[in-house]
Amino acid sequence: NAGVTQTPKFRVLKTGQSMTLLCAQDMNHEYMYWYRQDPGMGLRLIHYSVGEGTTAKGEVPDGYNVSRLKKQNFLLGLESAAPSQTSVYFCASSPGLVSRETQYFGPGTRLLVL
Amino acid sequence: EDQVTQSPEALRLQEGESSSLNCSYTVSGLRGLFWYRQDPGKGPEFLFTLYSAGEEKEKERLKATLTKKESFLHITAPKPEDSATYLCAVQEAANSGYALNFGKGTSLLVTP
Repeated sequence: NAGVTQTPKFRVLKTGQSMTLLCAQDMNHEYMYWYRQDPGMGLRLIHYSVGEGTTAKGEVPDGYNVSRLKKQNFLLGLESAAPSQTSVYFCASSPGLVSRETQYFGPGTRLLVL
Repeated sequence: EDQVTQSPEALRLQEGESSSLNCSYTVSGLRGLFWYRQDPGKGPEFLFTLYSAGEEKEKERLKATLTKKESFLHITAPKPEDSATYLCAVQEAANSGYALNFGKGTSLLVTP
């Protein structure tokens, strides 16, 4: 099992450009999450999904969109990148359906917006 | 006000020098408290989940404990390979999707 994988590992964008970050998991998990991690801020939840075809907003959703067309994939989109979106993005997944489920994280995508 | 506060922000220990990291939380209904380890340039790695006050869990040199207001991660006789950032997160009963609220982490450096 590869667990949670993320592509790309690193990307540089210019302000106004768009891109999609891909998260894939092979553990048949129901729930998936996108977080961003900034120095001095800790991990903050952007969006999450409790199942195929569902998405919901987290703590910092502005400027991002997500889609969960397949159970194993969770996509994070930036329609018009801004320097404030420079960050490290982590995807996580958990089995869901029952309480107290542990989240397992991917290796991260480092994004620099110039 | 932060729901999860970790202290200290940074800790430097000599190899073999035991210590504890603190995670205090203010949530109305705790579903679970999680400890993760994060190495530079990598994603958080799951260590422990604690569900109720009085619960303890151990893994090698690490032991996590939980009270009604805080959790401790005790590190016994640490080695240089224990150097990492340790993250604490809480899962509230009110959080839909079982979302986690993270603290800012404690950066641990263990020197030989």
